[in-house]
Amino acid sequence: QVQLVESGGGVVQPGRSLRLSCAVSAFTFSNFPLHWVRQAPGKGLDWVAVISHDENYSSFADSVKGRFTVSRDSSKNTLYLQMNSLRPEDTAVYYCAKDREGGSFEYWGRGTLVTVSS
Amino acid sequence: SYVLTQPPSVSVAPGKTAEITCGTNNIGDMNVHWYQQKPGQAPVLVIYDDKDRPSGIPERFSGSNSANTATLTITRVEAGDEADYYCQVLDTNSHHRVFGGGTKLTVL
Repeated sequence: QVQLVESGGGVVQPGRSLRLSCAVSAFTFSNFPLHWVRQAPGKGLDWVAVISHDENYSSFADSVKGRFTVSRDSSKNTLYLQMNSLRPEDTAVYYCAKDREGGSFEYWGRGTLVTVSS
Repeated sequence: SYVLTQPPSVSVAPGKTAEITCGTNNIGDMNVHWYQQKPGQAPVLVIYDDKDRPSGIPERFSGSNSANTATLTITRVEAGDEADYYCQVLDTNSHHRVFGGGTKLTVL
């Protein structure tokens, strides 16, 4: 069955960096775009970023543009989110999600919590 | 960018029908997707492309979309349907995904 497993979350000070990973299994990794979606404590879902299946295209929410980058490694079936210049408002559970043709998110990981606090 | 408007909360008695709306200008021209999220869990896709159900989602869940409002309908509501529900669309100009603010469904 399809699995997406995030890791790398934790507590980090404002202004520091953190890299999240998402290990994927049970589908052909290089065939599908992948996304990051976050959810601040007690709040709604907030799309963060997408990377195309071949890494040729990525796009970011305005709130993270210029601070976050996304990449993927087909040899490891892993998606990454590099988060720089972190702010307290970046505190959230970060989910990776598999794109479904038509724009929906077909499968989600369980998420990893990032807390930005001094 | 689009703003998708959902009611913050909807309450329904067991066995009745719940309707959760999602509105923005000309949403009928977009594909709308719906997610169910229970406390402490990841979201689950329950409706995609306005009205299609992924495998494993009960037929009690259905969707419609026209003009300025998309609707998620849950018939014969059960206690286990209590959750937050989010609508979502693709902004075809930016390729960004946009979520509604979410609706908390309470089963009385």
